Amino acid sequence: GAGVSQSPRYKVAKRGQDVALRCDPISGHVSLFWYQQALGQGPEFLTYFQNEAQLDKSGLPSDRFFAERPEGSVSTLKIQRTQQEDSAVYLCASSLVRGEQFFGPGTRLTVL
Amino acid sequence: DQQVKQNSPSLSVQEGRISILNCDYTNSMFDYFLWYKKYPAEGPTFLISISSIKDKNEDGRFTVFLNKSAKHLSLHIVPSQPGDSAVYFCAAAQGGSEKLVFGKGTKLTVNP
Repeated sequence: GAGVSQSPRYKVAKRGQDVALRCDPISGHVSLFWYQQALGQGPEFLTYFQNEAQLDKSGLPSDRFFAERPEGSVSTLKIQRTQQEDSAVYLCASSLVRGEQFFGPGTRLTVL
Repeated sequence: DQQVKQNSPSLSVQEGRISILNCDYTNSMFDYFLWYKKYPAEGPTFLISISSIKDKNEDGRFTVFLNKSAKHLSLHIVPSQPGDSAVYFCAAAQGGSEKLVFGKGTKLTVNP
């Protein structure tokens, strides 16, 4: 596809469940980003990859959050033992050069 | 401690008139600024950007102005169209970093 795709688009989890969110970046894009967007807020940075290297994970809220990009393309954001405060839209973005990031549609996670 | 602030949660303008969206920032290390537009259930879409070495950048109906001394930027849309109705996010990046810091967004409504 031409754009960034994310799956699933919607996820409902029971508190304590583990979830995995997938991001397919634009082909050839070196940089990949994960953001968390709570209701009524702007996106907040979680983590960033350049190829397969995770260069910045300063935004991950706790050690329950883990991201990987093993082959420098597809990325997975995993949240272990989900809590209600994890409910948010998780956005993935990719870029070729510094600056303009192309965003996917997001995954809306609801933790009950 | 919000580094990027959009103090107007909403703005309503008439079709054909100018829309002015404002953004303030506190971090003097920011050197690159972007505006994104977001429709419901979609990811943010890049609109326009400006480097800190410039004070104006124009692209069609969209112009971004940067006032570094005031740590303020604005997005002008002329003429406004009903299809411009969306949430607009201001974002900034710090020198050497690709991580974007977003404001909370301003919801623009353009009335026919």
